[in-house]
Amino acid sequence: SQTIHQWPATLVQPVGSPLSLECTVEGTSNPNLYWYRQAAGRGLQLLFYSVGIGQISSEVPQNLSASRPQDRQFILSSKKLLLSDSGFYLCAWRVAGAGTDTQYFGPGTRLTVL
Amino acid sequence: GESVGLHLPTLSVQEGDNSIINCAYSNSASDYFIWYKQESGKGPQFIIDIRSNMDKRQGQRVTVLLNKTVKHLSLQIAATQPGDSAVYFCAETDFGNEKLTFGTGTRLTIIP
Repeated sequence: SQTIHQWPATLVQPVGSPLSLECTVEGTSNPNLYWYRQAAGRGLQLLFYSVGIGQISSEVPQNLSASRPQDRQFILSSKKLLLSDSGFYLCAWRVAGAGTDTQYFGPGTRLTVL
Repeated sequence: GESVGLHLPTLSVQEGDNSIINCAYSNSASDYFIWYKQESGKGPQFIIDIRSNMDKRQGQRVTVLLNKTVKHLSLQIAATQPGDSAVYFCAETDFGNEKLTFGTGTRLTIIP
């Protein structure tokens, strides 16, 4: 079966510090991968998605970036965090081209920027 | 742009009663719809999905209804339990689209 991991689970960072969040998927090959951010009590905002290694689509202009160095690894980064970067970051995966568009989510990373 | 929205942001239901969560969508090209459940501090969990060639689909204690004429989606939860308390999101997409569009969510509270 497929599983998705995110780490760290929680993170407290000062303004201006760098960020690296990691997401890995097990039990599937060539998945579509997604990064979302969720503000407290709000819906899901798509940040980036990837349909393959090295292929990144950006949805929202911001000081965040994403990379996909391996087939089942998706990384969210920032060089300098802003207060507004605080939130719940969710990674999701989807089987590409399998006739289903369902995305499956990881446990999330709670980021607090102080 | 296209969006998916919910009629009610909060809903309180007595334990054991049935609940209905509604969702309106605006993209007439959408052909696949999903309901997710998100408990506090956790990632959204897939509940049930439906394609546009169907108007009803049932799962365990849950039923999704799709009315394409008025672009309306609903999630019915039967015999609600305390564990059903969560935020419920609808999502939609169309064929070939790599992305889902999510609604803003409805918080369901089950009253013991």
